[in-house]
Order: sequence, then structure tokens, then C-alpha cells
Amino acid sequence: DQQVKQNSPSLSVQEGRISILNCDYTNSMFDYFLWYKKYPAEGPTFLISISSIKDKNEDGRFTVFLNKSAKHLSLHIVPSQPGDSAVYFCAASGPSNTGKLIFGQGTTLQVKP
Amino acid sequence: AAGVIQSPRHLIKEKRETATLKCYPIPRHDTVYWYQQGPGQDPQFLISFYEKMQSDKGSIPDRFSAQQFSDYHSELNMSSLELGDSALYFCASSLGRGIYGYTFGSGTRLTVV
Repeated sequence: DQQVKQNSPSLSVQEGRISILNCDYTNSMFDYFLWYKKYPAEGPTFLISISSIKDKNEDGRFTVFLNKSAKHLSLHIVPSQPGDSAVYFCAASGPSNTGKLIFGQGTTLQVKP
Repeated sequence: AAGVIQSPRHLIKEKRETATLKCYPIPRHDTVYWYQQGPGQDPQFLISFYEKMQSDKGSIPDRFSAQQFSDYHSELNMSSLELGDSALYFCASSLGRGIYGYTFGSGTRLTVV
């Protein structure tokens, strides 16, 4: 039972353009969502998060949008850079409030120069 | 800034052997989480500890056990290793049982042969 889903295994964009990574979830009790970037053989690195009481959070080139009614969130990267090429994981927290994260399957982003 | 330290980085064991993975959280972090990421899979939550007590439990096999010590470091003990235990094992730490300061280590790659 995959509670957090990233249906696109891979995405390829041109440098300077926008990258949009999508994530869907099934548990309406999730109260916090996070995006992580991961390189091979390294641990996930935190990018940006959003609370369920918000619908948008922005940090530099990264913006996360949350649509609670659709149980959908997206990560926008503008402008995309070759160094952004990595695997991006969407994760959700709650409602147990133990800090346990439920991860999606990941999307491999390739930004071409 | 100090990060989450995991040791060893790589470990090769034979079937039916025992392995011990160690995790040293960020100073003053009191919560530790363990995740397992199989090849091509998303990270799966195994177990977490808050203030040296088990806080939450996920899909951790009975052959695995873990604990958090008085200095807040944690150890994941894996016995009767199987080929399917080959994976990346990540530890994360946070302050309190939430997502505040949630940081992952670089992981331990366990290969069972």
C-alpha cells in the first residue's frame, strides 16, 4: 500500500527551464510534507517542506505547492541547473507525530546543459 | 556543522552472519530513525527512538533489533542475514519526535553474499 506516490520515475528538462516534480498521497491525515534530493550512495538531503495548513512555500529557486483537496503536491525548480540532476523524493509525516516519514518512489531529474 | 554520522559506510557479510550498524546523531538531537532502501526502492521506515525509548516501529524484521544509548547514539543489530537484506541503511536524527532539524546520514551500504 503506497501511501505516497511519485508516478513519474524520471524527468528531463533543459537548463534554465522549469522542472515540475509531482507527488500524490492517499492519507488525508498527513500534516507535513517534505522534499529530499538524493545522490547515489549518499543520504537524502532536505530541500523544502510545507505544512498542511499552507498551500505554498518558497525558498529560492524551489517552490512547493500543496493541493489538499486533490491530495497532491508539486515541487517547482526555476531555473533548473545541471547541478539539480539527482533523485527527488517526496515524503510525508503524520499523523502519529513520531517523526516517521513515508517516502514516495522517487523521480530522477536530469537537467541538460 | 556536525552531521549525522553512520558507520561503517560499507559492509559485506555472508548469509546467516550478524551485522551491527551505528548511528551518531547531530549533537543535542534526541530522536533517531532508521530506514532501509533496497535497490530501486524508496526508503522504508524501520524503527525510531526518542530519549532512548522506542518511539515507533515500521517494517522491521524480527531478526533485527535496535537501541538508543545514553549518549543518544543508536545501533541496528541484524542477525541471520539474508540476501534480501542487502540495501542502504539510513539513519536520521531530529530534535524531538517531529521533523524539526530532521537530517539524514550518508548511509551504510550492506551487501550480503
